[in-house]
Amino acid sequence: DGGITQSPKYLFRKEGQNVTLSCEQNLNHDAMYWYRQDPGQGLRLIYYSQIVNDFQKGDIAEGYSVSREKKESFPLTVTSAQKNPTAFYLCASSRETTWENTEAFFGQGTRLTVV
Amino acid sequence: AQSVTQLDSHVSVSEGTPVLLRCNYSSSYSPSLFWYVQHPNKGLQLLLKYTSAATLVKGINGFEAEFKKSETSFHLTKPSAHMSDAAEYFCVVPRGYNKLIFGAGTRLAVHP
Repeated sequence: DGGITQSPKYLFRKEGQNVTLSCEQNLNHDAMYWYRQDPGQGLRLIYYSQIVNDFQKGDIAEGYSVSREKKESFPLTVTSAQKNPTAFYLCASSRETTWENTEAFFGQGTRLTVV
Repeated sequence: AQSVTQLDSHVSVSEGTPVLLRCNYSSSYSPSLFWYVQHPNKGLQLLLKYTSAATLVKGINGFEAEFKKSETSFHLTKPSAHMSDAAEYFCVVPRGYNKLIFGAGTRLAVHP
């Protein structure tokens, strides 16, 4: 079955640690995205990538880093510089075309908690 | 710049009664618009999409939405709520090729 797989489902981070969230897709999509979800705020874009070896900052990139070494993979690292990392993180992908001709497909999310 | 406003943070209905989730958009032109649904601790699933082909858009699970340019609205409706419809719903407008702007969400509760 085609889709997006995020792992782990739950992640606990100690203060000062970096953690990496995994996102893999087998939809053959060029574009991939990371969103952060906080209660009552909808989803906010962290980073996006339109093609392998290229990525762009979204609206809230500070304290996060990404890589795009393979088309199917777009891992997100939450660094110690992110002061409030507790949130639900969602990965998505889409075809690289106008939004009239595609949609964003989402993974099941990773819930990150700072302990 | 494009944006969306979901007018209700919470909506509560009884099973079998109609559902109305309200969304207003702000755009200098007629945009594409989406409704997504999210069940607890899950990812988002596309319910329906408006792309200017027809103002009344039918989606999955009996939902539909009507694009009204004069009112800058894209409200989501369903004639009869089911318990399985309890979830959070997001109205979404694209900004450029790679950004989706999400509303704050409306949490729908369905009571027996």
